[in-house]
Amino acid sequence: GAVVSQHPSWVICKSGTSVKIECRSLDFQATTMFWYRQFPKQSLMLMATSNEGSKATYEQGVEKDKFLINHASLTLSTLTVTSAHPEDSSFYICSARWAGGTGELFFGEGSRLTVL
Amino acid sequence: KNQVEQSPQSLIILEGKNCTLQCNYTVSPFSNLRWYKQDTGRGPVSLTIMTFSENTKSNGRYTATLDADTKQSSLHITASQLSDSASYICVVTLFGANNLFFGTGTRLTVIP
Repeated sequence: GAVVSQHPSWVICKSGTSVKIECRSLDFQATTMFWYRQFPKQSLMLMATSNEGSKATYEQGVEKDKFLINHASLTLSTLTVTSAHPEDSSFYICSARWAGGTGELFFGEGSRLTVL
Repeated sequence: KNQVEQSPQSLIILEGKNCTLQCNYTVSPFSNLRWYKQDTGRGPVSLTIMTFSENTKSNGRYTATLDADTKQSSLHITASQLSDSASYICVVTLFGANNLFFGTGTRLTVIP
């Protein structure tokens, strides 16, 4: 089946630093990728929708200058958490939508961010 | 307002028993409905995807049903196993758009 890879799977950083998370669709092209945030025992919260070659669309309440999203190719999207603070600690998950067929949605394994 | 509601919020069952999870939605126009399984600390994995014309779809011990008229879906798990312990998420897609609506999930715990 289709695979979406996220890297890193976990990261610990100091407050004030920036962290980049990559999301790659390994064996299919994804015109659209989504970024989510998930707190413990809660459901996924959509942060933004990323379309290849254009600016991301952010959900209400998500700071676009805080969470920078780049979707430079059909197989790669990146999320950069800028000037991270402890409250940014969370589980970040991406998904990629297959450009063909039913537009099936495949999720990455997630990246756990801990900001000290 | 487009919403997806799941019930129950959590469920504990004995190994070997069956269970049914519910998903009600108000998303319109409807494109498709997906059920995902999410293990703790992992990304969601697709179980089924159903379009408007499909009433039932199976994936091993998982069987999903869809009633597009009443806007209800269910996920039935047969002969549960300990490895079925996870969160099950219902996701509904808006027709003609990238908009996805997530349910809050049902946390299933299977005990020996």
